[in-house]
Amino acid sequence: LAKTTQPISMDSYEGQEVNITCSHNNIATNDYITWYQQFPSQGPRFIIQGYKTKVTNEVASLFIPADRKSSTLSLPRVSLSDTAVYYCLLGGFKTIFGAGTRLFVKA
Amino acid sequence: NAGVTQTPKFQVLKTGQSMTLQCAQDMNHNSMYWYRQDPGMGLRLIYYSASEGTTDKGEVPNGYNVSRLNKREFSLRLESAAPSQTSVYFCATIHSRTGETEAFFGQGTRLTVV
Repeated sequence: LAKTTQPISMDSYEGQEVNITCSHNNIATNDYITWYQQFPSQGPRFIIQGYKTKVTNEVASLFIPADRKSSTLSLPRVSLSDTAVYYCLLGGFKTIFGAGTRLFVKA
Repeated sequence: NAGVTQTPKFQVLKTGQSMTLQCAQDMNHNSMYWYRQDPGMGLRLIYYSASEGTTDKGEVPNGYNVSRLNKREFSLRLESAAPSQTSVYFCATIHSRTGETEAFFGQGTRLTVV
């Protein structure tokens, strides 16, 4: 299984744009890249998914370079409620979650 | 439409006791998963079932057994609970096709083994 690597933690302030990068050097040809968000005492929830280039939805943007060896989740103008753990995952049945990135948004 | 339902939400066990965590989904997905999450850690895959009638080990299967009773239900059993199994357990179903996946999680079962 291809492995992903993310920063363990990040701090930000309200109103800033936050970019979290995930490395996946051994991504398989048919793997999509999916990001999840987890709040304390809740299960993770889907944020965004993409295969290449750029994907945008109402919550975030996902940037994937041509070689697909990394991806960047971009959260525009974060608020205190965006404080959570963010996971980067690759496709497949045996879905493995790493430790994720703990984002802490300060006032 | 409940999505993924786990029972119970909380449980305290004594060392050596057994129990079964229940999970049911109404999303008609083929695959179901059990994860555990220790404090401050990511989720670790215990067992998964790619389809009805099949189960496979994940990263941390020791001390657990599973049953895929039908397409809707996937249970996790602890035969002899140990303090190291104190954790929050999440059940998930994952819609997957050709590399695209989207996981839907239950609310979790917080288990304490004393």
